[in-house]
Amino acid sequence: SAVISQKPSRDICQRGTSLTIQCQVDSQVTMMFWYRQQPGQSLTLIATANQGSEATYESGFVIDKFPISRPNLTFSTLTVSNMSPEDSSIYLCSVDSVSGELFFGEGSRLTVL
Amino acid sequence: AQSVSQHNHHVILSEAASLELGCNYSYGGTVNLFWYVQYPGQHLQLLLKYFSGDPLVKGIKGFEAEFIKSKFSFNLRKPSVQWSDTAEYFCAVNEGDSSYKLIFGSGTRLLVRP
Repeated sequence: SAVISQKPSRDICQRGTSLTIQCQVDSQVTMMFWYRQQPGQSLTLIATANQGSEATYESGFVIDKFPISRPNLTFSTLTVSNMSPEDSSIYLCSVDSVSGELFFGEGSRLTVL
Repeated sequence: AQSVSQHNHHVILSEAASLELGCNYSYGGTVNLFWYVQYPGQHLQLLLKYFSGDPLVKGIKGFEAEFIKSKFSFNLRKPSVQWSDTAEYFCAVNEGDSSYKLIFGSGTRLLVRP
């Protein structure tokens, strides 16, 4: 199994600012994923982050709003840019495994005022 | 597009009651199926998964799920719930070997009363 640490665990931000969420894994992984869980809703995949290449974004998500870095095989960041109250969500980092299972971090709960 | 439906958004049970949470998906091809659980204040954890073989799969903590291909269903069951099963349960699907992307259902919040 993989142990995933996310920072910050929660934050309260002002409208128009940006926040960068960090994801650290205790082992090298090929694929890292960023999900969003809006209040009362399910998890939605934002993008897939592969080391050494541009992130692949899902429909409805764009790089200008959610820039992602993946500098090595154990670390990734997701930035939520120019935030609005609609961006209030839990953002989750996850990684895949050889068993096909996804492991998740504890999430970063973001509240935008 | 593929979708996953969980029909029960909130379930309240007493301890020792039996549990069945429904999950249906829309994809007609080969799928991998998962149930994840999120206990209060904790991260998502895998309960069980189905890739192939016996359609009745057993997971941790006495949970099991049955894959019924004809019904596009993967319902989660437990014969006797405990207070510690209070959590949110998510069904998820990906498209077999062609996609690593997990599509999640909306989740079911289970409250077990002692």
